[in-house]
Amino acid sequence: KAGVTQTPRYLIKTRGQQVTLSCSPISGHRSVSWYQQTPGQGLQFLFEYFSETQRNKGNFPGRFSGRQFSNSRSEMNVSTLELGDSALYLCASSLEGRPGANVLTFGAGSRLTVL
Amino acid sequence: GQNIDQPTEMTATEGAIVQINCTYQTSGFNGLFWYQQHAGEAPTFLSYNVLDGLEEKGRFSSFLSRSKGYSYLLLKELQMKDSASYLCAPESRGYNKLIFGAGTRLAVHP
Repeated sequence: KAGVTQTPRYLIKTRGQQVTLSCSPISGHRSVSWYQQTPGQGLQFLFEYFSETQRNKGNFPGRFSGRQFSNSRSEMNVSTLELGDSALYLCASSLEGRPGANVLTFGAGSRLTVL
Repeated sequence: GQNIDQPTEMTATEGAIVQINCTYQTSGFNGLFWYQQHAGEAPTFLSYNVLDGLEEKGRFSSFLSRSKGYSYLLLKELQMKDSASYLCAPESRGYNKLIFGAGTRLAVHP
């Protein structure tokens, strides 16, 4: 069974650019969550999608957005990049994402560097 | 709202036992997860506690006290490969998201 796949693994952008990150969940998993991880802040929740609907959103500015497709694959987008957006972006999938059935399997992450 | 507190760093000796504590304040608490994250890698699931008490899984055990808002992860017979960050994550009913603590970085020395 393939795990959670994130692409690209590494990328470098400059301030003001925008970036799109992709996540393919484990087959059969319908919930996809996104997290930002930085050394100082730990794992910060971005948003969670289920059946193409965003069910929860963390405390991030509107520059951070995402979507989920009918095959459960998800993308997140960050527009007008800032230096502080440099981080590891982790995607995690779970069967249904509901309490009691919420074991997350994480992908290896996309490491974004903003210059 | 949610508040999660765990020590930032801990050190221990190979073969020893270490206990990593986590206190939390979570509205609509349902259960608590522990994840392990090695440097440069993704977090991996360790345990999930819903009921009070100790759950043992090999060298790792996890304890939960719902009334005290307290959990701990107990690692026995420490090995060098246990050097990692351990993340506590309380789960809320009705919220389809998992919020993680800042993590405890454990260093195991020979």
